[in-house]
Amino acid sequence: NAGVTQTPKFQVLKTGQSMTLQCAQDMNHNSMYWYRQDPGMGLRLIYYSASEGTTDKGEVPNGYNVSRLNKREFSLRLESAAPSQTSVYFCASREHRGISYEQYFGPGTRLTVT
Amino acid sequence: AQKITQTQPGMFVQEKEAVTLDCTYDTSDQSYGLFWYKQPSSGEMIFLIYQGSYDEQNATEGRYSLNFQKARKSANLVISASQLGDSAMYFCAMREATQGGSEKLVFGKGTKLTVNP
Repeated sequence: NAGVTQTPKFQVLKTGQSMTLQCAQDMNHNSMYWYRQDPGMGLRLIYYSASEGTTDKGEVPNGYNVSRLNKREFSLRLESAAPSQTSVYFCASREHRGISYEQYFGPGTRLTVT
Repeated sequence: AQKITQTQPGMFVQEKEAVTLDCTYDTSDQSYGLFWYKQPSSGEMIFLIYQGSYDEQNATEGRYSLNFQKARKSANLVISASQLGDSAMYFCAMREATQGGSEKLVFGKGTKLTVNP
């Protein structure tokens, strides 16, 4: 039981390059999330998916696209990377069972755009 | 307007002492919940404790307790008997309902706790 996994762990891009961050969970959770963490800003929601086949914008969606490939996988794509997208990206998932609202986080991807 | 406010950018505590990390929130919902997460220097997000708005008693998990004052809209984290391993960033977060019927978390900016030996 790996929980939430993210690939890659580190990535350096040049301005204008594209890439996809991968996320997978093996807990059969319905909801999945992408956050970014910048110094002094806490975590901010980029996109989320309440269930397979649905995605919605969060607080800071500009410059990103997402795909909920199936129940397990939720990917985040940067079509044309910008230095402002230098950040640590976290994927999370949750399933409401009983009184547990906990979101489970992946280990994060540290992205640098030069 | 900020929905989660953590007014202490940094806190220091002596080992074995108790420390309180402040969190205030803003919501007009009747049903909501507050979380605390710990982020050590290694970067992972570790769930500590959860308090629902309808919970009558303050949540406790081992050395962690949540001082929930609904009328004041505060949800402070109390760590008893601090340990060196408690040194980390601590984030307060609130769950919010989404239009799609799911929920999302709104985070505060965090408090960096340093435990001194």
